[in-house]
Amino acid sequence: QSALTQPASVSGSPGQSITISCTGTSSDVGGYNYVSWYQQHPGKAPKLMIDDVSNRPSGVSNRFSGSKSGNTASLTISGLQAEDEADYYCSSYTSSFRVFGTGTKVTVL
Amino acid sequence: QVQLEQSGAEVKKPGASVKVSCKASGYTFTLYYVHWVRQAPGQGLEWMGLIDPSTSSTSYAQKFQGRVTMTRDTSTSTVYMELSSLRSEDTAVYYCARARVLRSAFDIWGQGTMLTVSS
Repeated sequence: QSALTQPASVSGSPGQSITISCTGTSSDVGGYNYVSWYQQHPGKAPKLMIDDVSNRPSGVSNRFSGSKSGNTASLTISGLQAEDEADYYCSSYTSSFRVFGTGTKVTVL
Repeated sequence: QVQLEQSGAEVKKPGASVKVSCKASGYTFTLYYVHWVRQAPGQGLEWMGLIDPSTSSTSYAQKFQGRVTMTRDTSTSTVYMELSSLRSEDTAVYYCARARVLRSAFDIWGQGTMLTVSS
């Protein structure tokens, strides 16, 4: 099972919106509505930000939103803030149970 | 509160085995799958496998088949991950994480256990 493809880095200024893509295949992202997104700050455990493609768990800022089209899922962060600077990983359910994306470093300029 | 507490850092020699624990608290242990995910230094997340604490049924990523064993102890609400025939490439932080059903996301993560494999 190959990792899902994410851009290595995305940057934006405070207040701007950015979008991170997550590209897989019909066997993972495209085949199931079970894509999740995780935020990871340096030295910390990942934190769930979006599940089931677009559902935001309780306590997660509404500045984070998720969507999917075909084999590509996306995470959008609106009103970018300094605290959003972190690594972000997508993940999808697959017939082999789970696969993660390659990860994206978000930099707030 | 709901949490997963993992055992401390380990240093092992190549060829040895390691057993990492993950103790659940604040929720009904048998109602959530527990997954193991690792992260090599400077690298991304890698899914290793899962255990259903209610039945002890397991599923492992093909990459780790034959080298990993996941078990649980319902009396202490603890899940264990044992990795054998260690090599330097196994140096990583190992996380446990829970999921409500087989396809659901990982909503709670342990703090991570650093494993260093070095001669």
